[in-house]
Amino acid sequence: DTGVSQDPRHKITKRGQNVTFRCDPISEHNRLYWYRQTLGQGPEFLTYFQNEAQLEKSRLLSDRFSAERPKGSFSTLEIQRTEQGDSAMYLCASKLMDRGVGAFFGQGTRLTVV
Amino acid sequence: DQQVKQNSPSLSVQEGRISILNCDYTNSMFDYFLWYKKYPAEGPTFLISISSIKDKNEDGRFTVFLNKSAKHLSLHIVPSQPGDSAVYFCAASGTNFGNEKLTFGTGTRLTIIP
Repeated sequence: DTGVSQDPRHKITKRGQNVTFRCDPISEHNRLYWYRQTLGQGPEFLTYFQNEAQLEKSRLLSDRFSAERPKGSFSTLEIQRTEQGDSAMYLCASKLMDRGVGAFFGQGTRLTVV
Repeated sequence: DQQVKQNSPSLSVQEGRISILNCDYTNSMFDYFLWYKKYPAEGPTFLISISSIKDKNEDGRFTVFLNKSAKHLSLHIVPSQPGDSAVYFCAASGTNFGNEKLTFGTGTRLTIIP
């Protein structure tokens, strides 16, 4: 069990560029979540998958954001036409559905838009 | 609409003494409450949880107390150790929601003074 892995750990991009982050959940975890954390705030829910199906998206997830989880394993989060307000820590978490209440978090990807 | 609130951004406690971190919530549909610990540049790590049918849960040095009527919970750490210095997030979940997503507070930075 290697835990939840996120790549890259840090990303600096120019405004207007597209970026993609990857999350590898704990194997066999059927639920995968994306959260965003900005300075001074707690993590905020963005979206979640049950296996390969994206079941819920937060209002925070504008149409510039898209997430996928092909084959129900790893997930990607893409941000198109990045804005300075997108600068944040993007956290991925996974868990087994209906098994406990706590999710396991990755180390996050820190995005800086300049 | 901050449904989970941590009103103390920071707390300093002498090593060996008790640390008490507080959290309030507004949504009566929440029925599980969790505490996560976060070190810089790492993702949140699950610490302890409590179901709304209980008023206390203990795990080693960590005890969480829940007062449903007041919509308040607290985390007690005793004795406090230097390694406990971190940001602590209170989180809540509603099993009836079906999605098991977590709603976080803004965090309390705990500093243990040697």
